[in-house]
Amino acid sequence: SAVISQKPSRDICQRGTSLTIQCQVDSQVTMMFWYRQQPGQSLTLIATANQGSEATYESGFVIDKFPISRPNLTFSTLTVSNMSPEDSSIYLCSTRDPKDNEQFFGPGTRLTVL
Amino acid sequence: GENVEQHPSTLSVQEGDSAVIKCTYSDSASNYFPWYKQELGKRPQLIIDIRSNVGEKKDQRIAVTLNKTAKHFSLHITETQPEDSAVYFCAASSYSGAGSYQLTFGKGTKLSVIP
Repeated sequence: SAVISQKPSRDICQRGTSLTIQCQVDSQVTMMFWYRQQPGQSLTLIATANQGSEATYESGFVIDKFPISRPNLTFSTLTVSNMSPEDSSIYLCSTRDPKDNEQFFGPGTRLTVL
Repeated sequence: GENVEQHPSTLSVQEGDSAVIKCTYSDSASNYFPWYKQELGKRPQLIIDIRSNVGEKKDQRIAVTLNKTAKHFSLHITETQPEDSAVYFCAASSYSGAGSYQLTFGKGTKLSVIP
């Protein structure tokens, strides 16, 4: 399986600021996903980041709030913009192996907004 | 879209007993069903999966069963150990358009194994 790393692992941010989370994969992958996991909750898909095209956002998530970049097949960023305390959550990057559909997760970024 | 229901939300068992977690899904076209284990503060880890052309799959103490007709699948853990304590998530993979598939997760089951 691909090795996925994320930076930062955690951050504490002030209301109204923005944070960019980086996701690095050790092999080329077609599709990368960004999930949010609120405290004690399940995983919710924010968007699918495809290299060479616009990200596809799920219902309830918009590009202005969560802009995504995918400059190449091994890297993606998710920005949480104009943060509020409700954005406090764990943000997880994920990739899927197209051969067998197995999906793996990065270690997550724990975000706290004050 | 796909909807995945997971039960129970919490489960406590004595060490050595078996644990069973059940999930149902709504989209009959879903064809891939993974299970993830998430320990506190860690990432979700894929522990076992099953595809729609198989009814049962086993890996040591863990097994998963799938009933396509009833649209439900279950995780079975035998001879539970304290290190099995974690939150377990089921998921179903369904087609989301433009050649893409996405996972829909259940709400999770917190399993506690009591020594």
